[in-house]
Amino acid sequence: KAGVTQTPRYLIKTRGQQVTLSCSPISGHRSVSWYQQTPGQGLQFLFEYFSETQRNKGNFPGRFSGRQFSNSRSEMNVSTLELGDSALYLCASSTDTDTQYFGPGTRLTVL
Amino acid sequence: AQSVTQPDIHITVSEGASLELRCNYSYGATPYLFWYVQSPGQGLQLLLKYFSGDTLVQGIKGFEAEFKRSQSSFNLRKPSVHWSDAAEYFCAVGGTDSWGKFQFGAGTQVVVTP
Repeated sequence: KAGVTQTPRYLIKTRGQQVTLSCSPISGHRSVSWYQQTPGQGLQFLFEYFSETQRNKGNFPGRFSGRQFSNSRSEMNVSTLELGDSALYLCASSTDTDTQYFGPGTRLTVL
Repeated sequence: AQSVTQPDIHITVSEGASLELRCNYSYGATPYLFWYVQSPGQGLQLLLKYFSGDTLVQGIKGFEAEFKRSQSSFNLRKPSVHWSDAAEYFCAVGGTDSWGKFQFGAGTQVVVTP
């Protein structure tokens, strides 16, 4: 079975721009979670989607949003980028609240 | 509030020596417990998990972990480390009351010396 894939792997943007990251879960997994990883804050939960519905949300500003499509693929969007948004964004999929399997991440650099 | 503590930020171990990484958690419900490993620039790879039952769980790459409810701990061990075990290790807690939301520890960086 193919693992979780994330595109793009690397991204460079400037402040004020917006960005969209994509995540394709493991086949059959309906839950997709997103995390932000930075050296200072570690791994922080952004949000989780299950069957196209957001079930849980972390403590991030409204600039961070996401969605899930009927094929379980998910996207997250960050608008009005700030320097502090530079991070590794990790996506994880699971069958439900079970074990999460992570993708390789998208490295976002904001200049 | 839920929390996961990994007391050791950095551990240096000689190749062939044993390794133990500590994890303590605070969680209201019965926790699901996980250990993940991350190599530089990579995602997280699942080493092992504990849901219920036998408190000693075996994982991949020769790792094992022991759940101790009385100590709220889930420590990871490996009898003999290999140079390829150098990485960052994360303990995580999840559960049925937190849809898709895992709480992660700050991580322990493991350095393996010859």
